[in-house]
Amino acid sequence: NAGVTQTPKFQVLKTGQSMTLQCAQDMNHNSMYWYRQDPGMGLRLIYYSASEGTTDKGEVPNGYNVSRLNKREFSLRLESAAPSQTSVYFCASTSRPGEKLFFGSGTQLSVL
Amino acid sequence: SQQGEEDPQALSIQEGENATMNCSYKTSINNLQWYRQNSGRGLVHLILIRSNEREKHSGRLRVTLDTSKKSSSLLITASRAADTASYFCATFGGTTDSWGKLQFGAGTQVVVTP
Repeated sequence: NAGVTQTPKFQVLKTGQSMTLQCAQDMNHNSMYWYRQDPGMGLRLIYYSASEGTTDKGEVPNGYNVSRLNKREFSLRLESAAPSQTSVYFCASTSRPGEKLFFGSGTQLSVL
Repeated sequence: SQQGEEDPQALSIQEGENATMNCSYKTSINNLQWYRQNSGRGLVHLILIRSNEREKHSGRLRVTLDTSKKSSSLLITASRAADTASYFCATFGGTTDSWGKLQFGAGTQVVVTP
């Protein structure tokens, strides 16, 4: 049982480069989320998809875009990476909003 | 801004002792959840308590919720070295403007020494 799978686990980018973080879940969950975690800040919500076909902004959406490709997959794209986007990114999913989240193992991103 | 704030920020105890951490939040909630994060790993759900519940137990975990004070506490009894982790509370508002959002606090870092 894979649960929530994130790729890549580590990434180093130069300022201005773009990349996409991939997330897939195999639990038939309707809702998926992207969070970033910075030291001392806890987790902050970037974007979420309450159900297939919908996406909404969270607390810190600037500089990011998302795509809910299908029910299983929810990707996060950085179009022009900035040093302020250096963080650990977590994808999570749940059967419906408000229920317990299942997290991936995270992507550690450094932007130089 | 974050909805929940944990207190204390860090806690150091010895094996066998109890660990208590608190979470305060600002707006009304539908439910409150606690998660654990081991170093370098993703978060793992521990317990969910709904706004109409006052106390919930799961193994060595006890969670209380006081909606009048907008606060919750997590008690870990008879702690073990394996309980060393960061603990986060997360709130779900369930209202139109917060629908879909689970908001996390900054966490309490717990160290349990043998």
